[in-house]
Amino acid sequence: AQSVTQLDSQVPVFEEAPVELRCNYSSSVSVYLFWYVQYPNQGLQLLLKYLSGSTLVKGINGFEAEFNKSQTSFHLRKPSVHISDTAEYFCAVSVGRREYGNKLVFGAGTILRVKS
Amino acid sequence: NAGVMQNPRHLVRRRGQEARLRCSPMKGHSHVYWYRQLPEEGLKFMVYLQKENIIDESGMPKERFSAEFPKEGPSILRIQQVVRGDSAAYFCASSPTGSHRSDEQYFGPGTRLTVT
Repeated sequence: AQSVTQLDSQVPVFEEAPVELRCNYSSSVSVYLFWYVQYPNQGLQLLLKYLSGSTLVKGINGFEAEFNKSQTSFHLRKPSVHISDTAEYFCAVSVGRREYGNKLVFGAGTILRVKS
Repeated sequence: NAGVMQNPRHLVRRRGQEARLRCSPMKGHSHVYWYRQLPEEGLKFMVYLQKENIIDESGMPKERFSAEFPKEGPSILRIQQVVRGDSAAYFCASSPTGSHRSDEQYFGPGTRLTVT
């Protein structure tokens, strides 16, 4: 069965510092991987997704992620964070066959706290 | 183009009452997913529906929970005889027709259910 592990429940970082949020997955089939962001009391917004091709994926708000098949990882990075990046970040993998839809398996989330 | 709409945003129910959560997908989307987010946890898949059909309900509790997506109107997640353990945030997501594993899901703001 597919699963997603986010290794850090909280990551504190100072403004303008770089950050990496770690995500590992397990899957016996080819994977589609996603990172979502959730601001307080809001729904999830897609940051980026890996479907195929280049292993370095660029997303919105200056975020990027690198797919590493040998390490089964999909870590999220940003070279310089802002206060407004404070939110919870979820890594997810797509499972299921086409006719049964595209249910997502989520990690437990990582809270990014950006301090001034 | 309005996003995914969910109502109510907050719902308080006493133990034993019924809870009805509504989700209107994005215009042109005919695929709806429901997820539940328990405190301190990531989102867990509950059910996947297309218009008038339940496609995958493998994540739904066997009792008290039901979902529908009628030909007209919003998708409804119904919880009968609620218990304190049902307190959670319930998110709806929609995706375009022809749901493939790579299709992006667009999330609503969620309904936060509190059972007292």
